[in-house]
Amino acid sequence: NAGVTQTPKFQVLKTGQSMTLQCAQDMNHNSMYWYRQDPGMGLRLIYYSASEGTTDKGEVPNGYNVSRLNKREFSLRLESAAPSQTSVYFCAIAPRGVDSPLHFGNGTRLTVT
Amino acid sequence: QQQVKQSPQSLIVQKGGISIINCAYENTAFDYFPWYQQFPGKGPALLIAIRPDVSEKKEGRFTISFNKSAKQFSLHIMDSQPGDSATYFCAAMGGGSNYKLTFGKGTLLTVNP
Repeated sequence: NAGVTQTPKFQVLKTGQSMTLQCAQDMNHNSMYWYRQDPGMGLRLIYYSASEGTTDKGEVPNGYNVSRLNKREFSLRLESAAPSQTSVYFCAIAPRGVDSPLHFGNGTRLTVT
Repeated sequence: QQQVKQSPQSLIVQKGGISIINCAYENTAFDYFPWYQQFPGKGPALLIAIRPDVSEKKEGRFTISFNKSAKQFSLHIMDSQPGDSATYFCAAMGGGSNYKLTFGKGTLLTVNP
């Protein structure tokens, strides 16, 4: 999806390993989000950043940390991966102050063994 | 607490038929109700959205019906096509949620040729 770039596309980790999922946007939007998608669970918000310099917890923040490095970039870190974190992770962006269609990246598929 | 309940979980429709997906919400402060369409391997993409000041919104073959008193809204896909086969998510936002969307669990739509 043009405008939101997620890296890597796929990743396999062993339990206890750490990694950072990267998200970068070129649409100059203020708000950025991290969601996870699991079968039968829909999309659940992990963390979000309403604007540069701010971050807040979403519905399922445990086991994750985030950094809003600048307006373009919002990273999600797993310090000690667990099998329960096997999921597809989506970064999304939105302009603040309008009816905001979240614009999603194409996701990172993470498997923790 | 699941704030947006979506049904059915899966739906099979013949080509040319009408697909109907229903959602119900609990938070009366919600004031923006989008539907997202997701194809395999892709991120969700905004399909159509409605605000509660109207009871219906139509875009091509896609219509949202909204019932504020019942706290329900639905997506109707007229003349369903095999290319409509995808997962559909309803969502809701508002009430000082800081632009966070709450998603339903999704409906897998299959349109048979």
